[in-house]
Amino acid sequence: GAVVSQHPSWVICKSGTSVKIECRSLDFQATTMFWYRQFPKQSLMLMATSNEGSKATYEQGVEKDKFLINHASLTLSTLTVTSAHPEDSSFYICSARAPGTSGVRTYNEQFFGPGTRLTVL
Amino acid sequence: GENVEQHPSTLSVQEGDSAVIKCTYSDSASNYFPWYKQELGKGPQLIIDIRSNVGEKKDQRIAVTLNKTAKHFSLHITETQPEDSAVYFCAALSGGGADGLTFGKGTHLIIQP
Repeated sequence: GAVVSQHPSWVICKSGTSVKIECRSLDFQATTMFWYRQFPKQSLMLMATSNEGSKATYEQGVEKDKFLINHASLTLSTLTVTSAHPEDSSFYICSARAPGTSGVRTYNEQFFGPGTRLTVL
Repeated sequence: GENVEQHPSTLSVQEGDSAVIKCTYSDSASNYFPWYKQELGKGPQLIIDIRSNVGEKKDQRIAVTLNKTAKHFSLHITETQPEDSAVYFCAALSGGGADGLTFGKGTHLIIQP
């Protein structure tokens, strides 16, 4: 249980194009999903918090008009990188938090997806 | 906001020996401390976590200790095996869990055969 998937696993695009990344919780409903970015040999940096049915909350320094987040259902959040540029090339990872406590799942646990490698030429 | 420091950045141990990775946090309100293992090109995998009402937790060869007073927590891996080689991240979560995690910079653990 507690599986989070991401699609695509990798994408190469031309500068100026937009790229959409999907994050799905496969076996639980996630009221909150998080988007992180990880540059090579660096740690994960939180970009934004996505709550189902409401606007995302962005971390300081993250452009909300460039990184569009939609959390339309309890199992799906999407990140769209608009007008991508080479400096946006990175590993994008989502995580999903299970609500409340259910069985062995506790409130704070976040389960991560496998990540999406974005390369902008 | 929260700030998490992690040491060392690289740790090389002989197979079978123990490995210890240490983290400190700044926000006394933080109450959840997970550890993640990340293999190359993959997402982080939760390996163990501890909450602020507990001082120690163990799961087979892995253990985590928490010192709330000093605001530090550590990961202990005993009887290390080659498959333990990976990058390990500590993280901290403050508040009621509505926020994202703050990660340490990671430790590249190398198990020497």
